[in-house]
Amino acid sequence: DQQVKQNSPSLSVQEGRISILNCDYTNSMFDYFLWYKKYPAEGPTFLISISSIKDKNEDGRFTVFLNKSAKHLSLHIVPSQPGDSAVYFCAARAYFGNEKLTFGTGTRLTIIP
Amino acid sequence: GAGVSQSPSNKVTEKGKDVELRCDPISGHTALYWYRQSLGQGLEFLIYFQGNSAPDKSGLPSDRFSAERTGGSVSTLTIQRTQQEDSAVYLCASSLPQSSYEQYFGPGTRLTVT
Repeated sequence: DQQVKQNSPSLSVQEGRISILNCDYTNSMFDYFLWYKKYPAEGPTFLISISSIKDKNEDGRFTVFLNKSAKHLSLHIVPSQPGDSAVYFCAARAYFGNEKLTFGTGTRLTIIP
Repeated sequence: GAGVSQSPSNKVTEKGKDVELRCDPISGHTALYWYRQSLGQGLEFLIYFQGNSAPDKSGLPSDRFSAERTGGSVSTLTIQRTQQEDSAVYLCASSLPQSSYEQYFGPGTRLTVT
């Protein structure tokens, strides 16, 4: 049962344009959401997060939007740069005392110069 | 400062053999997690250590998997009698207790069972 879903395995975007990565979840107990970025042969690195009490969080070129009623979040990168080419994982945490993160399957983003 | 380190980076083993994977967390991080990523899958939670508390082993897929954390620092994940379906990248992460949402990952150990 995939509680966090990233339905687009890959995405290609022109340099300078906006990249939008999507994530859907099913568990209404999730109260914190994170995006991680992963380069080949490296571990995932934390990118940005959002609490369920907010609907938007911005950090430089990265903005995460949360729509709780739709159980949907998205990551916007603008403007996209070649160094943004990586696999992006959406992750979520449920508040019942367990610190584990539930991850999606990832979206491979390719920025075309 | 140093990040999370894992060893070995790659391990090829024959079916039925035991393997040990090591994780050195960031100094001062009391929380430590093991995940694995199988081909085409997301990261799957395996086990979580927090300080001196009993570990959360709810993600371990079978009793062939075990993990320990000595002295609240280094952790070892042991897989006994490896099977081909155990082939995956095993990732370790650590975090500070007050920011356990933001986990810092090591580079992973790629395990291949032949």
